[in-house]
Amino acid sequence: LAKTTQPISMDSYEGQEVNITCSHNNIATNDYITWYQQFPSQGPRFIIQGYKTKVTNEVASLFIPADRKSSTLSLPRVSLSDTAVYYCLVGEEAAGNKLTFGGGTRVLVKP
Amino acid sequence: DTGVSQDPRHKITKRGQNVTFRCDPISEHNRLYWYRQTLGQGPEFLTYFQNEAQLEKSRLLSDRFSAERPKGSFSTLEIQRTEQGDSAMYLCASSFQGASNYGYTFGSGTRLTVV
Repeated sequence: LAKTTQPISMDSYEGQEVNITCSHNNIATNDYITWYQQFPSQGPRFIIQGYKTKVTNEVASLFIPADRKSSTLSLPRVSLSDTAVYYCLVGEEAAGNKLTFGGGTRVLVKP
Repeated sequence: DTGVSQDPRHKITKRGQNVTFRCDPISEHNRLYWYRQTLGQGPEFLTYFQNEAQLEKSRLLSDRFSAERPKGSFSTLEIQRTEQGDSAMYLCASSFQGASNYGYTFGSGTRLTVV
């Protein structure tokens, strides 16, 4: 499993765009990049998944450069309710029991 | 179906006591996973079931931990002779077999405090 490195924490303000970069230098050819979000006292929730270039859904965008050694999760115009821990995972597209979480990035959105 | 349900939400127990947690997955999901999460860390995989078969249990933290899913529906996680180091959030998740990573649904967890 490819190891991931992401910032421990980030602060932002309401209405700003938040970008969280995850490094995964040893990503394998078949690996996908998946991001989960976790609110306090809740289980993680899937946000977005991609393999290369750019993926966008109603919640976020995921930017993956050509070498795939890093990826950036972009949260547009955050609100207070986006305060959460965001996890970057690298592995199979259907990881099953191999779904492996690192330490995550704690994002605090301030008013 | 309202998602993955875990009971209780909170449990305080004295060291040395046994505790059991229950997880009710999404009814159509045939896979069920247990994770443990300590403060400031990401969830750590413990074990998983496909229907009633426990396919991976080598990651259970010790022989004090055991899990069952007798009829392929709900599951229980038991910790015997609890220790203070067992204090954590215990999360359950479910999915279809072979589901993509977006197909996992986690419950809200059971927070265990061992005093």
